[in-house]
Amino acid sequence: GQNIDQPTEMTATEGAIVQINCTYQTSGFNGLFWYQQHAGEAPTFLSYNVLDGLEEKGRFSSFLSRSKGYSYLLLKELQMKDSASYLCAVRDSNYQLIWGAGTKLIIKP
Amino acid sequence: DVKVTQSSRYLVKRTGEKVFLECVQDMDHENMFWYRQDPGLGLRLIYFSYDVKMKEKGDIPEGYSVSREKKERFSLILESASTNQTSMYLCASVPGQVTGANVLTFGAGSRLTVL
Repeated sequence: GQNIDQPTEMTATEGAIVQINCTYQTSGFNGLFWYQQHAGEAPTFLSYNVLDGLEEKGRFSSFLSRSKGYSYLLLKELQMKDSASYLCAVRDSNYQLIWGAGTKLIIKP
Repeated sequence: DVKVTQSSRYLVKRTGEKVFLECVQDMDHENMFWYRQDPGLGLRLIYFSYDVKMKEKGDIPEGYSVSREKKERFSLILESASTNQTSMYLCASVPGQVTGANVLTFGAGSRLTVL
């Protein structure tokens, strides 16, 4: 079966760095997405990786290793507004999105 | 910016009632999706549509139907609501042919409680 694993919850301190991991086993691979979802709001797109390596976008970076079935989202200089759930999703060989359960990130002052 | 609007943010219905969840997008996207989101589970695809009057079953279509009479509107219908359909329902859209990099745009969600 297809599976996406990510930690359920993480806690970090304002101003620090946090890394949210995502491992996947899917039928084929056509890209990996990270979305951010604040409580009660729509998920919003953060990043897309299809090739191995690091993609940097401001305070957020996303890394992919296809051979390891692994990605991480790195958040730097954490702000209170970064408190949210972070969803990892993989597009499989049929271009269907397989979603992880999400990681709830709690930022403490 | 693409906007996906779900008409009802919160609904409370009784078992057996017929429920309509409406979703409208304003950017002429061909593809629209209905997901449900439950604690501890990833988003699960209920139905999707790639064109007007076209629909495809997702992973969990049982107990649901959909309607897409106009390009901008995709409705999810629960013919006879049951308590196990209590959930957050998310609508999303994406333009053109679905490729690897296409990004879904989501609505804010409709939280349905079935008593």
